Amino acid sequence: GENVEQHPSTLSVQEGDSAVIKCTYSDSASNYFPWYKQELGKGPQLIIDIRSNVGEKKDQRIAVTLNKTAKHFSLHITETQPEDSAVYFCAALNTGFQKLVFGTGTRLLVSP
Amino acid sequence: DTGVSQNPRHKITKRGQNVTFRCDPISEHNRLYWYRQTLGQGPEFLTYFQNEAQLEKSRLLSDRFSAERPKGSFSTLEIQRTEQGDSAMYLCASSSNRDKVWSEKLFFGSGTQLSVL
Repeated sequence: GENVEQHPSTLSVQEGDSAVIKCTYSDSASNYFPWYKQELGKGPQLIIDIRSNVGEKKDQRIAVTLNKTAKHFSLHITETQPEDSAVYFCAALNTGFQKLVFGTGTRLLVSP
Repeated sequence: DTGVSQNPRHKITKRGQNVTFRCDPISEHNRLYWYRQTLGQGPEFLTYFQNEAQLEKSRLLSDRFSAERPKGSFSTLEIQRTEQGDSAMYLCASSSNRDKVWSEKLFFGSGTQLSVL
């Protein structure tokens, strides 16, 4: 089955800096890669996603890149703000199955 | 669209007791999922429904766990004879089927935090 690894487990940046979180997946048949943000006491919130036929996607300060050959994908947050502080999860899905497999999460702390 | 609703938000129970959680998906979302999340980990898939049919169950879902979605709308997850290892956040998610095209986008509720003493 699919296995998703995520790094780093914690990331501290100063406000205005960029943050990068990286994930690798094992199943070459996976074709959908979402990123979720989870704040304390809340469920995961979808912030951006990418399909395997696209190499990069951007939404304002957030971007995701996908390298299918290397089986890794990354989340990039530019101009970080304190409200970006949360736990971020990557995930992978083979749309032939309905089981989204999550990474172990990255705790991002943005200091003012 | 009021989002995925889960009740209760918190549940404290004694070992051996039965507990039941409820999930109300986003209106007209045909697929409903249950995940479990323990501290410091990502959510783990438990089971999912397409309308009222339960189509897949994880090996994580022991015989003490049962999920239902009788009318294809809300769902319940019951844990019988709870154990301390069942302590976790139980998350529900739903996805849409607009124009008969399934969306991979999962929308999660805020979860039910279960503590088994």
